[in-house]
Amino acid sequence: SQKIEQNSEALNIQEGKTATLTCNYTNYSPAYLQWYRQDPGRGPVFLLLIRENEKEKRKERLKVTFDTTLKQSLFHITASQPADSATYLCALRRGSTLGRLYFGRGTQLTVWP
Amino acid sequence: DVKVTQSSRYLVKRTGEKVFLECVQDMDHENMFWYRQDPGLGLRLIYFSYDVKMKEKGDIPEGYSVSREKKERFSLILESASTNQTSMYLCASSLFVIGGDNEQFFGPGTRLTVL
Repeated sequence: SQKIEQNSEALNIQEGKTATLTCNYTNYSPAYLQWYRQDPGRGPVFLLLIRENEKEKRKERLKVTFDTTLKQSLFHITASQPADSATYLCALRRGSTLGRLYFGRGTQLTVWP
Repeated sequence: DVKVTQSSRYLVKRTGEKVFLECVQDMDHENMFWYRQDPGLGLRLIYFSYDVKMKEKGDIPEGYSVSREKKERFSLILESASTNQTSMYLCASSLFVIGGDNEQFFGPGTRLTVL
């Protein structure tokens, strides 16, 4: 079965630093990877998508990389702010699964002033 | 903006009751999903539907059933609620476009407590 692991349950960094979150997967190569943000008591919100043939994607202070050899995606938040504190989920979609996603358990990021 | 709404934010039920959770989306999405989320376990897929009257089991369908009679509405049914079904339930919807992003849009969640 598909397995997705996010490197740690919690990450604490100082404001202004770059946060780097890791997502590793096994068994199947995804068609693409998505990253979501979830605030307490709310549903996840989509942030970024990277496809299997892409190495890197950027959106404002966010950057996602995808290494299909390592079976890993890295999610970076540059110049982090306390407002970036949330849980971040990675999710992958395989090519033949009617749009269902396989989610990791998430990494809780805390940015302290 | 896509809007996914869920019938209740908080729900308290007794063991053995039949429970209905409703989800409605307003963007004509083909796909709809039901997840439950528990601390330390992340999001787990219960059922999903890729068309009206079509459904597929997710990873933890036992004790649940679903209904999709109209494209915009996807219902989750707990046939006989048990205490281990106490959880946060999240509904989501997405397009299904080959080559598209197909990101999922989530509702606010229903926190269900079974006593």
